[in-house]
Amino acid sequence: QKEVEQNSGPLSVPEGAIASLNCTYSDRGSQSFFWYRQYSGKSPELIMSIYSNGDKEDGRFTAQLNKASQYVSLLIRDSQPSDSATYLCAVKGMGNYGQNFVFGPGTRLSVLP
Amino acid sequence: DVKVTQSSRYLVKRTGEKVFLECVQDMDHENMFWYRQDPGLGLRLIYFSYDVKMKEKGDIPEGYSVSREKKERFSLILESASTNQTSMYLCASTPWQGDRFREFFGPGTRLTVL
Repeated sequence: QKEVEQNSGPLSVPEGAIASLNCTYSDRGSQSFFWYRQYSGKSPELIMSIYSNGDKEDGRFTAQLNKASQYVSLLIRDSQPSDSATYLCAVKGMGNYGQNFVFGPGTRLSVLP
Repeated sequence: DVKVTQSSRYLVKRTGEKVFLECVQDMDHENMFWYRQDPGLGLRLIYFSYDVKMKEKGDIPEGYSVSREKKERFSLILESASTNQTSMYLCASTPWQGDRFREFFGPGTRLTVL
């Protein structure tokens, strides 16, 4: 069973702090990695994608990938209350035909004013 | 911009009813997916399709069937709804062109089976 694991949280951080979200995956052949944000009652929306080892920055968000350790992380700098949501890690290239996305269970982030 | 639409945002059905959930995408994507999402269990893949009339079982296909007669439309069918199928159902699509494509999600259908 190919798996993506995340700490379910809740992760609570004060406003302005750095939030660190972690994800591990089981299939070493995975090629593409995505972070989605999901507000309660809404569908997931993409915030970051990463394909190569190292860091990728986009505004307040930084994704980090280490394929040797099968580890993906998302850092949110200067966290805002509006960042409070569930963050889903998704891995592509696992499952049948390599077309499937396998999602982790999500980490609930709470940013406290 | 890619748009994935689902036929209903909220749906209430009774046990034993046949339920159709419709999903339409407007970007000519080959792949389409149906997930259900439950608290603590995350997104679980029910079925996916990589071409017209093609379908593949996901992780939890029991109690569901699908239909893809046209490329843009992927339907999820609950032949005889049961209370344990109360859930949020999410449709998604993505092109078949290598690894670097994300999934585009519809708004979701919250189904309640009484």
